[in-house]
Amino acid sequence: GAGVSQSPSNKVTEKGKDVELRCDPISGHTALYWYRQSLGQGLEFLIYFQGNSAPDKSGLPSDRFSAERTGGSVSTLTIQRTQQEDSAVYLCASSLTGTVYGYTFGSGTRLTVV
Amino acid sequence: KQEVTQIPAALSVPEGENLVLNCSFTDSAIYNLQWFRQDPGKGLTSLLLIQSSQREQTSGRLNASLDKSSGRSTLYIAASQPGDSATYLCAVAYYGGATNKLIFGTGTLLAVQP
Repeated sequence: GAGVSQSPSNKVTEKGKDVELRCDPISGHTALYWYRQSLGQGLEFLIYFQGNSAPDKSGLPSDRFSAERTGGSVSTLTIQRTQQEDSAVYLCASSLTGTVYGYTFGSGTRLTVV
Repeated sequence: KQEVTQIPAALSVPEGENLVLNCSFTDSAIYNLQWFRQDPGKGLTSLLLIQSSQREQTSGRLNASLDKSSGRSTLYIAASQPGDSATYLCAVAYYGGATNKLIFGTGTLLAVQP
């Protein structure tokens, strides 16, 4: 596609429920990234995919968070047993191999846990 | 620890002024540095990308410089306009082995008064 697409744009969920956030990267971009932007916090790195593999998951905050990527394209970030501190904007980005050409970010999913 | 700091945190200027935003980073083994703009409720828009071997990049009224050895970058905005009002984020890329991620600064909130 022309840009990085994320869905849903907004999600309100009850504490304890599981949520799935979706990212469609730019066609042909082999690298995909998830970031989180919490109120009062900066943008935090969560996970990096190269193709379908995730060589760097160091930013995932707990084992309630997981992500997968299929077909070298779409990625899903899953948060299990959501907590209020999970409320944030979750941003996805993609790039061509490596970081030489820079990142393109999606508009994000605003997650609110009530 | 890889940290990125931006000064000032907020800036208000009258239309037409030239201004400088500052970014400093603790780990100088960067791959590249990127300046982004974020409008309220929106994703990130890439403004300029400087490779680690470069000293500066220019795009229109924007000029970004990089001094890798001292861990500093500046974003210069000439003849500011109200439409420049946004949050400006500096992000440093680290790439190698399993690592491929951006570390973001805390941002500078810019308001240009008409």
